[in-house]
Amino acid sequence: AQSVSQHNHHVILSEAASLELGCNYSYGGTVNLFWYVQYPGQHLQLLLKYFSGDPLVKGIKGFEAEFIKSKFSFNLRKPSVQWSDTAEYFCAVNEWSQFYFGTGTSLTVIP
Amino acid sequence: NAGVTQTPKFQVLKTGQSMTLQCAQDMNHEYMSWYRQDPGMGLRLIHYSVGAGITDQGEVPNGYNVSRSTTEDFPLRLLSAAPSQTSVYFCASSYMGYEQYFGPGTRLTVT
Repeated sequence: AQSVSQHNHHVILSEAASLELGCNYSYGGTVNLFWYVQYPGQHLQLLLKYFSGDPLVKGIKGFEAEFIKSKFSFNLRKPSVQWSDTAEYFCAVNEWSQFYFGTGTSLTVIP
Repeated sequence: NAGVTQTPKFQVLKTGQSMTLQCAQDMNHEYMSWYRQDPGMGLRLIHYSVGAGITDQGEVPNGYNVSRSTTEDFPLRLLSAAPSQTSVYFCASSYMGYEQYFGPGTRLTVT
């Protein structure tokens, strides 16, 4: 079974700073990759997804992620964060219809 | 359509009581799953189903039962509640291999 690692447990940034959150999965294969966001008190919502093709995918709210197959990585980026990006971010891998989630990264953006 | 719905939103149980958390989706998704979310542990898969009549265990199935008699419904039963089952429970559904849609969650406290 896959395991998903998110290296940053808690990130604190000032508004307008750039963001990069790391995500690695344990081994190669045919996988679909996802980033979800959970705003305080809410359920998880999809930010972006990668199935195939261009390894740089763009999602909602200015987020993007890059799939690097050789590194089993799918890092999330945003050039300039806003206070409203304060949330928990989860990386997920789907393999053979089974989903595996990372433990999440809590992002706090200071105005 | 309503997406994924969960009831109740909040529940308090005494140790040893049983209850059922309801989950329904109206998107005709084959795949449905139950997760629990605990601080610092991300999302952990309890049980999942790839279609009506088919269920399987996830990472933390002990103390929980599921059934899938229809495509739409996937209830989670707590057989004899324990304080360790205090958590937030999320139901999710998807087409196989595609992004999951999450319900609003049930916050369960076992005293």
